[in-house]
Amino acid sequence: AQSVTQPDIHITVSEGASLELRCNYSYGATPYLFWYVQSPGQGLQLLLKYFSGDTLVQGIKGFEAEFKRSQSSFNLRKPSVHWSDAAEYFCAVGARAAGNKLTFGGGTRVLVKP
Amino acid sequence: EAGVAQSPRYKIIEKRQSVAFWCNPISGHATLYWYQQILGQGPKLLIQFQNNGVVDDSQLPKDRFSAERLKGVDSTLKIQPAKLEDSAVYLCASSSMTGRVEAFFGQGTRLTVV
Repeated sequence: AQSVTQPDIHITVSEGASLELRCNYSYGATPYLFWYVQSPGQGLQLLLKYFSGDTLVQGIKGFEAEFKRSQSSFNLRKPSVHWSDAAEYFCAVGARAAGNKLTFGGGTRVLVKP
Repeated sequence: EAGVAQSPRYKIIEKRQSVAFWCNPISGHATLYWYQQILGQGPKLLIQFQNNGVVDDSQLPKDRFSAERLKGVDSTLKIQPAKLEDSAVYLCASSSMTGRVEAFFGQGTRLTVV
């Protein structure tokens, strides 16, 4: 069965500082990995995805993530945070063998200090 | 390209009442998902359709929840009777059968059961 762990429930960063959100997954084969962002009252917006190939993936809004198979991790990073990045971030894992359904982590809420 | 449409956006009902949510997926997407997102948690899959057939409904509380996808396009999720613990955001998502598993989400329906 697939599972996703996001160890940090809340993270507070200063505007302009770097951000890293952790994600660990459990799945027998190589999964598909995703990061979604959710602003208050909104649905989920896809930031980036990993299917195969280059383990460093670039996404929208200046985000990137690195897939590390040896650590079963897919951490999200942004070099310089903007106030508009305050939101909740979800890591998700999917696989064709699992019917393509997504399993989500519990989310990390990011607060941005001015 | 139009996104996933959901209605209503908000619904407040009393416990033991019934409620229905509607979802119109992206045109041509054969796979449709309903997720439940309880406040402070990541989305949890309730049911997955492939065209008008159910692929996975293992997490659907079938004593009170039902869903259908007639004609393999629109879908309706119903709760009858509602309980207080059903208060959540109900997210609909769709994806293409071909290619990869990327899912596109609607804005969700926020249900409050009082």
